[in-house]
Amino acid sequence: DAMVIQNPRYQVTQFGKPVTLSCSQTLNHNVMYWYQQKSSQAPKLLFHYYDKDFNNEADTPDNFQSRRPNTSFCFLDIRSPGLGDAAMYLCATSRSDGNEQFFGPGTRLTVL
Amino acid sequence: GESVGLHLPTLSVQEGDNSIINCAYSNSASDYFIWYKQESGKGPQFIIDIRSNMDKRQGQRVTVLLNKTVKHLSLQIAATQPGDSAVYFCAEGGNAGGTSYGKLTFGQGTILTVHP
Repeated sequence: DAMVIQNPRYQVTQFGKPVTLSCSQTLNHNVMYWYQQKSSQAPKLLFHYYDKDFNNEADTPDNFQSRRPNTSFCFLDIRSPGLGDAAMYLCATSRSDGNEQFFGPGTRLTVL
Repeated sequence: GESVGLHLPTLSVQEGDNSIINCAYSNSASDYFIWYKQESGKGPQFIIDIRSNMDKRQGQRVTVLLNKTVKHLSLQIAATQPGDSAVYFCAEGGNAGGTSYGKLTFGQGTILTVHP
């Protein structure tokens, strides 16, 4: 009964080669978040969607984009991955009337 | 490659001991606080949360204490077990710009190691 699913769990890409990470949820939550987490650091919010409204964090590089085609799915697109983009990418969801966020298992991105 | 990681605070305890993990938060306007447990290679898992109108909340084997005066949050784990070994993150949040949901700001995390 997985609630927040991320695919793939491990992704290897080459420097500069676009990559897309996927997140889906069975919770029917309005809000979906993407975080970047580097080794031994806290998750850092990249952006979030409230329904179809996209909210970018001020310091999120333009290299990171997102799409939410429907309530259940959200994608993270990295247009030209650099070595510094190697990290764990976490997807989370929350209700529109709450603060608790439910996290997926993450996708570990390696950039060669 | 990745930037050099920070050295997270660590706490080592013996199985059966009680553990206390501390967190200082920054925003006095935050009205929601949450503790997550993150095991290696996994996403954060909810442990317990508390609203700013409370100073203590108890769950199963865990207690969260909130001291708004000094902006301090703590997580107490009773009878710590090896399965409790993980990184523990506190996070603060509140309503974002008048919305009814809120973004979370994570603290740096503490590594808990439980020795059998």
